[in-house]
Amino acid sequence: KAGVTQTPRYLIKTRGQQVTLSCSPISGHRSVSWYQQTPGQGLQFLFEYFSETQRNKGNFPGRFSGRQFSNSRSEMNVSTLELGDSALYLCASSSGQGGYEQYFGPGTRLTVT
Amino acid sequence: AQSVTQPDIHITVSEGASLELRCNYSYGATPYLFWYVQSPGQGLQLLLKYFSGDTLVQGIKGFEAEFKRSQSSFNLRKPSVHWSDAAEYFCAVGYTGANNLFFGTGTRLTVIP
Repeated sequence: KAGVTQTPRYLIKTRGQQVTLSCSPISGHRSVSWYQQTPGQGLQFLFEYFSETQRNKGNFPGRFSGRQFSNSRSEMNVSTLELGDSALYLCASSSGQGGYEQYFGPGTRLTVT
Repeated sequence: AQSVTQPDIHITVSEGASLELRCNYSYGATPYLFWYVQSPGQGLQLLLKYFSGDTLVQGIKGFEAEFKRSQSSFNLRKPSVHWSDAAEYFCAVGYTGANNLFFGTGTRLTVIP
């Protein structure tokens, strides 16, 4: 099976702009979770989507949003970018049931200038 | 609240030496436990997982981990480290009812010849 794919891999944006990141999970997986990784805060959970519904949400401002499509692909959007949003954004795929093991994509490196 | 502690920020070992990375978690019930490895600029790769049953679990790349309920620990071990094992290692905890993981701050492993 193909792994989790994320596009784009690298992105440079300016403060105040918005950005959309995409994630395609492993075939057959219905759950997609998003994490933010920074040197200062480590890995933090953003939100999880299962069957097109947000099932769980972390402690991030409303500027961070996401959605999931019927084919399980997911997008996350960050509006009004701030310098502190510079991070590696990781998408994780799982079946969504049972043991919750998650398989991660390579991430999207977002730099906000 | 759930938390994961990896007390060692950075560990240096000689190639061929044994390795143990520590992980302690705080959670009321039996958690799901994971170890992930991350190479620079990459996503996270699942090394092994513990859900229930045998407390000694085997993973990929020759790694193993032991769940000790009395110590709330899930330490990762490898009998003989290879130079290619140099990376950052993350312990993670999940729990029933939510498909998000709580991560430790990571341990960076350096392998010297």
